[in-house]
Amino acid sequence: DGGITQSPKYLFRKEGQNVTLSCEQNLNHDAMYWYRQDPGQGLRLIYYSQIVNDFQKGDIAEGYSVSREKKESFPLTVTSAQKNPTAFYLCASSTGRITDTQYFGPGTRLTVL
Amino acid sequence: AQSVTQLGSHVSVSEGALVLLRCNYSSSVPPYLFWYVQYPNQGLQLLLKYTSAATLVKGINGFEAEFKKSETSFHLTKPSAHMSDAAEYFCAVEAGGTSYGKLTFGQGTILTVHP
Repeated sequence: DGGITQSPKYLFRKEGQNVTLSCEQNLNHDAMYWYRQDPGQGLRLIYYSQIVNDFQKGDIAEGYSVSREKKESFPLTVTSAQKNPTAFYLCASSTGRITDTQYFGPGTRLTVL
Repeated sequence: AQSVTQLGSHVSVSEGALVLLRCNYSSSVPPYLFWYVQYPNQGLQLLLKYTSAATLVKGINGFEAEFKKSETSFHLTKPSAHMSDAAEYFCAVEAGGTSYGKLTFGQGTILTVHP
């Protein structure tokens, strides 16, 4: 089945630790995106990548980092510099062409203890 | 810059009643507009999208939306609510030009359907 997988589904982290969230797609999509979701705030774009080995900051990139070494994979690292990392993180992919649908993964819920 | 405002963070309807979820947009260029649905602890699923082909857009699960440029609106409707429609709904805008592929989402509207 084609789709987007995110792992793990739930993640707990102690303050001061970096943590990496996985996102893999087998849709042969060029573009991939990371969003953060907080109650009542909708989805906010963290980083996006339109092609392998290239990515751009979104609206709330501070405290996050990404890499795009393979077309299928777009991992997100939440660093200790992110002041309030507890949130639901969603990964998406698309062909990258205008008006094309973004397909979303099931999300990872990160809780900082 | 583009933005989206969803009026009403919570909407409650009876089963069988009309569903109306409001979305207004602001964009400096002709917008492309989307409605997504999210069930609890899941990702988002596309309901429908406006890409300038027709102002009335039909989507999945009986939903439709009408693009009204004069009102800068793209409200989502369904004639008769079903219990399975209970979810959170997001309106999103994609501006053209160099912002292609990037979506700006509204704050979301939680739809509750009661018997």
